[in-house]
Amino acid sequence: QKEVEQDPGPLSVPEGAIVSLNCTYSNSAFQYFMWYRQYSRKGPELLMYTYSSGNKEDGRFTAQVDKSSKYISLFIRDSQPSDSATYLCAMNGYGGATNKLIFGTGTLLAVQP
Amino acid sequence: DAGVTQSPTHLIKTRGQHVTLRCSPISGHKSVSWYQQVLGQGPQFIFQYYEKEERGRGNFPDRFSARQFPNYSSELNVNALLLGDSALYLCASSLESGEQPQHFGDGTRLSIL
Repeated sequence: QKEVEQDPGPLSVPEGAIVSLNCTYSNSAFQYFMWYRQYSRKGPELLMYTYSSGNKEDGRFTAQVDKSSKYISLFIRDSQPSDSATYLCAMNGYGGATNKLIFGTGTLLAVQP
Repeated sequence: DAGVTQSPTHLIKTRGQHVTLRCSPISGHKSVSWYQQVLGQGPQFIFQYYEKEERGRGNFPDRFSARQFPNYSSELNVNALLLGDSALYLCASSLESGEQPQHFGDGTRLSIL
């Protein structure tokens, strides 16, 4: 079993739709949760960063962490064609020992104009 | 301010050869991590360096090695290249070890013929 599970998609939605992306994980030690967006032939770009449980909002993006269910989500409101990319969840729980991130496989999102 | 910069952007090698990839972290960032991303997968952790010392190592063979210089830049070396080493190699930096989030460069795309 992988430490982090993410549906690879692809996910296709019309412009303006609300998008929900999810990851589940098995390691209860994870405390830092991140969402990265990766365009083709580019590196991952940090979108959202959350420590422990709770919600965080930034513009059209909302990140949710439910540690009791070991489940994290990213919501995109009013989706735009420019949101078409691969979305990666990433987690870390090793404290100061190491920066090692565990990634999901990524979900490919296509927003149709 | 410049983000994480990596060189070269693309490299073609043949089996058995050696390769050196380079990374300059964001100014002021002391921790550098290396990841391998195979097509269709999330990045896999290879190494982390902080203050020139190795702070973490992923499940990669000894053909992979790295080092960090006094100016916090880093090199990733891979010996005896195999076809399976074809991937996008990503560098990420953060202010301190154990600190999140990390910021990624656009990577070096390595193709092995």
